[in-house]
This record gives sequence, structure tokens and C-alpha cells, in this order.
Amino acid sequence: EAQVTQNPRYLITVTGKKLTVTCSQNMNHEYMSWYRQDPGLGLRQIYYSMNVEVTDKGDVPEGYKVSRKEKRNFPLILESPSPNQTSLYFCASSWGGLSGKGEQFFGPGTRLTVL
Amino acid sequence: GDSVTQMEGPVTLSEEAFLTINCTYTATGYPSLFWYVQYPGEGLQLLLKATKADDKGSNKGFEATYRKETTSFHLEKGSVQVSDSAVYFCALRSSGSRLTFGEGTQLTVNP
Repeated sequence: EAQVTQNPRYLITVTGKKLTVTCSQNMNHEYMSWYRQDPGLGLRQIYYSMNVEVTDKGDVPEGYKVSRKEKRNFPLILESPSPNQTSLYFCASSWGGLSGKGEQFFGPGTRLTVL
Repeated sequence: GDSVTQMEGPVTLSEEAFLTINCTYTATGYPSLFWYVQYPGEGLQLLLKATKADDKGSNKGFEATYRKETTSFHLEKGSVQVSDSAVYFCALRSSGSRLTFGEGTQLTVNP
């Protein structure tokens, strides 16, 4: 089954304790992206990757890191989480290419609480 | 830069009522337009899309028409069901692969 998986689905942590949220897709997509969803703000892009070893900042990159060492995986790293990073996080992937008009496929989400 | 504006929610309707959720956009060039739906506890799923002016996207009884002259992509359904209760996001994709989302509209349908 074609899908985007994220782990963990739920995480409660404390300020300053490094964490990683994993994302994996099995559709051989070039493009992957991380979003955070907050009430009244919709989805805002954190980082994205056009292909392996190519990553770039989205709208709200502060406090986050990513890596793209393999095509299927795109982990999100919070080196020193703070309470304002409490949010619902989504990973997404899609075909890239020159037209860039394709549908994005979303993971089920990771609900993060930073105390 | 690109932006998407959705009508403010939440929206509460009775079963079989007519639904409209307004969406307008600002973008350079000729973007593709999307409606995504998020059911409780789940990720976003593509509901419908339109890639050029005057295209009509449709799925599961929902429709939206790409109106370039009014820069709009309003979502409509003639008769909503309780199972349509969800959050609906309008989005656009102009150059490259990046999606720009609206704020989302919570729809609740009562029996």
C-alpha cells in the first residue's frame, strides 16, 4: 500500500530534550516536506526537500533541522524543544519534476507536547 | 508571495443542507488549486483539484471551479451528510512543489 508513515504518533517531552520524528514514504517520491498545524493558522511549512541531500527552509524553520540521506526518509529533528513547538506535525511527499503540479500525500500526523 | 484565504469557520449545518466554503487566492502565474479534507485524528487527504482556469474538480459529491477572473475556488456540495464532518483546507501550488494552505474550515453536520 502506498503510504507515508510517521513515528511516533504521540509524544510528550520536556524542554531541551532532543527528539526526532521519523517520516518514510514508499512511493519513490522526490519531494518531501514537513508542516506544523496550529489552530487558526492552517498548515505552515517547516522544511522541504526536492531530492536526496537537497533541503531548504520553509516558512517556519527556526528550532528545527532535517536531513535527507535516503530518498524514502525525511526525519525532523528538534535539537532543543521548547513549549512553542507544541503542535501537530505532518510529513508529506509528492512527485517533483518541472511541472510540480502533483498531489501531495500526507502522513497521519504526530502530536507533540513540550512541557 | 502566494496566499490562500478561506471563509472563517466553524460551519454547522443540518444533514442534506447545501454547503459552500469560500476560498480565494493570490499567486503569481497559473497555480494548481486543491481542496484537502482532514477527518478527526487523521492526516490530510486530497478531495479534489483543478489545474487550469475554468476546470471543475469533483469528488464524493463535492465540486469546485477554478475561477481565474475572481481568483476563487469555492467548495460546494448539494446535500451534506454527517460523515462529511471534517476540516477542509484550500491550497495552491504555483512554481515548484510547494503547497500554500488556507487556515482550514471546520464543518460539523448534525443529523
